[in-house]
Amino acid sequence: QVTLRESGPALVKPTQTLTLTCTVSGVSLSASGVCVSWIRQPPGKALEWLARIDWDDDKYYSTSLKTRLTISKDTSKNQVVLSMTNMDPVDTATYYCVRVYTSSCHFDPWGQGTLVTVSS
Amino acid sequence: QTVVTQEPSFSVSPGGTVTLTCGLNSGSVSTSYYPSWYQQTPGQAPRTLIYSTNTRSSGVPDRFSGSIVGNKAALTITGAQADDESDYYCVLYMGSGIWVFGGGTKLTVL
Repeated sequence: QVTLRESGPALVKPTQTLTLTCTVSGVSLSASGVCVSWIRQPPGKALEWLARIDWDDDKYYSTSLKTRLTISKDTSKNQVVLSMTNMDPVDTATYYCVRVYTSSCHFDPWGQGTLVTVSS
Repeated sequence: QTVVTQEPSFSVSPGGTVTLTCGLNSGSVSTSYYPSWYQQTPGQAPRTLIYSTNTRSSGVPDRFSGSIVGNKAALTITGAQADDESDYYCVLYMGSGIWVFGGGTKLTVL
């Protein structure tokens, strides 16, 4: 059974860089075909896809946010890390990590999410 | 800019049938976009319902079905139950490793 768990700061200040970690269990991030994405959801608003990293270290980013995002992985810890620079209050959201099935282009399972608030 | 459209809200009576749709601001949705659907209740992470247009995720009741209707992807709930009251999101794969979510539909069962 594959599970994902997000961790990171609950509160960041405007202009700071956010760093979130997704710890994956049940599958190796270096195994062929394994991909992980980050998705966020501001309070009361819709989901927004952010980024994806593949087992072979290919990376993909949201067109609108790609200048601020960096996704990476640490295969020794089986973790995926997302960094977002220049945080703003509009970036307040629950951030989810999810496994991506590239053959069918869908997300499953989802982590429980971590709420990040941007405020001074 | 690509916008994925969904009805903001919908209402269905218990036992009734409802079809939620997922479209594009320009163009038609086809199976090539691999539409998938997710159900979310307040305070919970989304749950995968349907992927690749019409494949039910493991454990999803068969009252949920996916299809292409006209130029949109569709999620149909047949025999709606009270606990189907949720937010429903579709997402389309745009190619080049990029996805775009719709704005979500808030479904009320009453």
